[in-house]
Amino acid sequence: GESVGLHLPTLSVQEGDNSIINCAYSNSASDYFIWYKQESGKGPQFIIDIRSNMDKRQGQRVTVLLNKTVKHLSLQIAATQPGDSAVYFCAEIPQLDNYGQNFVFGPGTRLSVLP
Amino acid sequence: DVKVTQSSRYLVKRTGEKVFLECVQDMDHENMFWYRQDPGLGLRLIYFSYDVKMKEKGDIPEGYSVSREKKERFSLILESASTNQTSMYLCASSAPGNTEAFFGQGTRLTVV
Repeated sequence: GESVGLHLPTLSVQEGDNSIINCAYSNSASDYFIWYKQESGKGPQFIIDIRSNMDKRQGQRVTVLLNKTVKHLSLQIAATQPGDSAVYFCAEIPQLDNYGQNFVFGPGTRLSVLP
Repeated sequence: DVKVTQSSRYLVKRTGEKVFLECVQDMDHENMFWYRQDPGLGLRLIYFSYDVKMKEKGDIPEGYSVSREKKERFSLILESASTNQTSMYLCASSAPGNTEAFFGQGTRLTVV
């Protein structure tokens, strides 16, 4: 069935360094891929999405890369800050339409930013 | 400020009790979701609804039911709570054709 998973469950980076969080997915027909951030005690928050016909998309300090050949998604965070410490989830939308859509989440990666 | 509000932050219930988890959104979203979150397993979809009185089973619907009588409210019901339903429950909503889902703060349910 459809599934989204992560290569690495935990990641520690020095403050100021760049972070790369990885995700593997299995449904090559999904329309969109999304990254969410969940801080302690809060629900997940949308960070950035990428459509399946794109390879790269940039936001503020974040870049998402999509490699459809190997079914791999990554989130790059530039100049990682203490406020970036959180659990990051990748998710996919198998089919985006006007009737409703499902979000399929991966297990998450915990990012810890070291001082 | 858009909001998805879950009625309880923490809940402790006894085995066999019927449990209601309530979720309300103020964004006029058609889509609403219930997920449970367990360490190492991420978010698993229990049920979702794309319209009033409509519901679809997710990946783990066993032991749960839902109710969507009004557009803004989506209720998750544990018919007879069991200890393996101890978890964090997250409600979310989204608009059709939109990639962003908005989540509530979660309800941590403990079944003893």
